[in-house]
Amino acid sequence: DGGITQSPKYLFRKEGQNVTLSCEQNLNHDAMYWYRQDPGQGLRLIYYSQIVNDFQKGDIAEGYSVSREKKESFPLTVTSAQKNPTAFYLCASSIVGQTYGYTFGSGTRLTVV
Amino acid sequence: DAKTTQPPSMDCAEGRAANLPCNHSTISGNEYVYWYRQIHSQGPQYIIHGLKNNETNEMASLIITEDRKSSTLILPHATLRDTAVYYCIVRVAETSGSRLTFGEGTQLTVNP
Repeated sequence: DGGITQSPKYLFRKEGQNVTLSCEQNLNHDAMYWYRQDPGQGLRLIYYSQIVNDFQKGDIAEGYSVSREKKESFPLTVTSAQKNPTAFYLCASSIVGQTYGYTFGSGTRLTVV
Repeated sequence: DAKTTQPPSMDCAEGRAANLPCNHSTISGNEYVYWYRQIHSQGPQYIIHGLKNNETNEMASLIITEDRKSSTLILPHATLRDTAVYYCIVRVAETSGSRLTFGEGTQLTVNP
């Protein structure tokens, strides 16, 4: 079945360490997105990419980095520069140029210990 | 993209229709209305979208007012599994730079 896979589901990180969250899709979607969600709040856009080897900052990109070397993959690195990284991270994908909605993964819950 | 206003919470009895309102008074002519829902600790799920006309699919109906300044998502026979946060979003169709912006949504609780 086509879909988006995020791994791992739960991730613990020591303060000061970088960590990379995986996002893979087999939907042949052009665009991919990373969102962050804090408890009781909506989703905030971190980064997005509409084509391989190109990506743009979202509303809260500081302390994060991404790459888009393959159409299927859009990993997110949470760096030590991110002051409050504990959150629920969601990856999504969509088809550029159409009105259809986004497909979301099941999320990764990151906790800094 | 235009901003939306939704009530923070609503309750509905199981088996009854759930009507979730959304105001988007600054919507532009080329902006669509999208609805998503998010069950606790899961990724959001697309429900339905529309431009001008009312829309219906297997999950829900979307009623858009004639002036397009507000809309209502209707779940015709709510079940306990419909308990979730429902997000109303307006945006231009997927073009370069267009992206979904989520507010805080409406927490719908379906009671037995």
